[in-house]
Amino acid sequence: ETGVTQSPTHLIKTRGQQVTLRCSSQSGHNTVSWYQQALGQGPQFIFQYYREEENGRGNFPPRFSGLQFPNYSSELNVNALELDDSALYLCASTRQGPNTEAFFGQGTRLTVV
Amino acid sequence: DQQVKQNSPSLSVQEGRISILNCDYTNSMFDYFLWYKKYPAEGPTFLISISSIKDKNEDGRFTVFLNKSAKHLSLHIVPSQPGDSAVYFCAARKNNNDMRFGAGTRLTVKP
Repeated sequence: ETGVTQSPTHLIKTRGQQVTLRCSSQSGHNTVSWYQQALGQGPQFIFQYYREEENGRGNFPPRFSGLQFPNYSSELNVNALELDDSALYLCASTRQGPNTEAFFGQGTRLTVV
Repeated sequence: DQQVKQNSPSLSVQEGRISILNCDYTNSMFDYFLWYKKYPAEGPTFLISISSIKDKNEDGRFTVFLNKSAKHLSLHIVPSQPGDSAVYFCAARKNNNDMRFGAGTRLTVKP
């Protein structure tokens, strides 16, 4: 059983650029959620994808967008990067259903300069 | 809106003693609660969870208690070990949707 994997692990981008982060969900998991973790804070929910459709969204602007593919892997895209977008981006996968725990990848550390 | 709060940013305990990490929430619609442990440069690792229909769940050295009337949950680790030193996040969820996390508590277990 493979765990959740994210790529890349580290990334440096310039303000105004666009970035794509990738996530492969754990085997058997059909739901993927993305979180942003700023320094000293807990993860903040960005959005969730289930069956290739957005299934909930947190308080993030439209320049944060995502995709889920038929194999349940997912992408997070951020346009027009701002300095405050610098954070650890975490992907979590779950099985759909009640009382299921989410399993996280190791995260992508994004630095915007 | 801070729906999940961990008011203690840090906790230090002696090896072998009990560690008690606390978490408060404001949304009574939350129906599932989870604790995650995070080491530096790694993603959060699931530790233990509890459904809102229960008041206690135990897994080895880890026990989570839920007090719905007080909107409070706690994680007990006994006995604490140096390898337990990490940041612990409390999370709450409703209807299998997104999790809301607290800001975390850094636990240090001293040998």
